[in-house]
Amino acid sequence: DAGVTQSPTHLIKTRGQHVTLRCSPISGHKSVSWYQQVLGQGPQFIFQYYEKEERGRGNFPDRFSARQFPNYSSELNVNALLLGDSALYLCASSSTGTDEKLFFGSGTQLSVL
Amino acid sequence: QKEVEQNSGPLSVPEGAIASLNCTYSDRGSQSFFWYRQYSGKSPELIMSIYSNGDKEDGRFTAQLNKASQYVSLLIRDSQPSDSATYLCAVYNQGGKLIFGQGTELSVKP
Repeated sequence: DAGVTQSPTHLIKTRGQHVTLRCSPISGHKSVSWYQQVLGQGPQFIFQYYEKEERGRGNFPDRFSARQFPNYSSELNVNALLLGDSALYLCASSSTGTDEKLFFGSGTQLSVL
Repeated sequence: QKEVEQNSGPLSVPEGAIASLNCTYSDRGSQSFFWYRQYSGKSPELIMSIYSNGDKEDGRFTAQLNKASQYVSLLIRDSQPSDSATYLCAVYNQGGKLIFGQGTELSVKP
């Protein structure tokens, strides 16, 4: 079975641009979480979705938004990119997202110039 | 106070030794605890989960949990150079979010 898949793998954008990152969860998993990981730090929680509903939001500005589709795949959108948005963006899936193991995709490395 | 705290390291141990990685958390209501391993340039990989006080062993790995002290640890026996990675402690808070520590870099020297 395929694991969590993310696209694209790498992305280079300039300040002020918009970016969309995509994630497909493990088959059968209904919850998707998004994390941002800056070099040298642990992953920081951005969003969690379950059954297409937002279940949780981390301490990120409104420039960050996400959604989950009927097939449980998800998109993370970031508007008005800043240099500080450069990071590895990780998607993780689980069955229900409650006190469960999260399985991570390989991530999208975003560079903002 | 950070929700999940780890020493950033680096922690250096010789091959064959026991590596001990520690983590504290602030939410007394937390019930689920995980250790992830992350190789440089890769995504986190789950290696252990623990939910009850005490020890849980899986091969060369032992996770230890003490909820009264709000402390989680990971022991790696017979450390190998291939164990060199960053180890992330993760804890579910009562808000249902999985919160990660900053990670401890482990280096196993041949």
